[in-house]
Amino acid sequence: SQKIEQNSEALNIQEGKTATLTCNYTNYSPAYLQWYRQDPGRGPVFLLLIRENEKEKRKERLKVTFDTTLKQSLFHITASQPADSATYLCAPNNAGNMLTFGGGTRLMVKP
Amino acid sequence: KAGVTQTPRYLIKTRGQQVTLSCSPISGHRSVSWYQQTPGQGLQFLFEYFSETQRNKGNFPGRFSGRQFSNSRSEMNVSTLELGDSALYLCASSSDVRVGGYTFGSGTRLTVV
Repeated sequence: SQKIEQNSEALNIQEGKTATLTCNYTNYSPAYLQWYRQDPGRGPVFLLLIRENEKEKRKERLKVTFDTTLKQSLFHITASQPADSATYLCAPNNAGNMLTFGGGTRLMVKP
Repeated sequence: KAGVTQTPRYLIKTRGQQVTLSCSPISGHRSVSWYQQTPGQGLQFLFEYFSETQRNKGNFPGRFSGRQFSNSRSEMNVSTLELGDSALYLCASSSDVRVGGYTFGSGTRLTVV
């Protein structure tokens, strides 16, 4: 069955450093992959989408890579700030409007 | 433009009761999806509606149902509530999730006692 793995342990980093979060998937080949940010008690917020034919995508301090051979996406936040502290969710998807989400990784950026 | 609006924000119900949650999508978005989020299971897909038709359905019992109206507003209903139904229920709308992703509402926090 399809499986999406994100590190369930919180990632603690110092302000100004680069945070790197990992999303691994098995048993399917997504045509695209999305990343969302979620704050406690709120709905997820869409950040970036990358397609299978794109290796890398950037948006301001965010960078996403998509390696279909390794079945992995990496999500980077450069020059991290305490305001970046949140849970980050990945959602690899084949088609249609039904997204399956990973369990999320909690990022804590310390001043 | 206005975001996705979910009502009510919080709800407390007793086991065995039923509940109806409401979602108003972003204007122009015809697709509305519902998710259940719990600490143990994460975000789980319930169903998706497009132009008043259920297009996809997740692996939930028949006690969970939904509908969409002609103005794209959607409701979901849970009958015969169980303690395990306590969760954050999230509604998301999109024009095409393959392009711009979902826009989620803030959710309805349901507590079953």
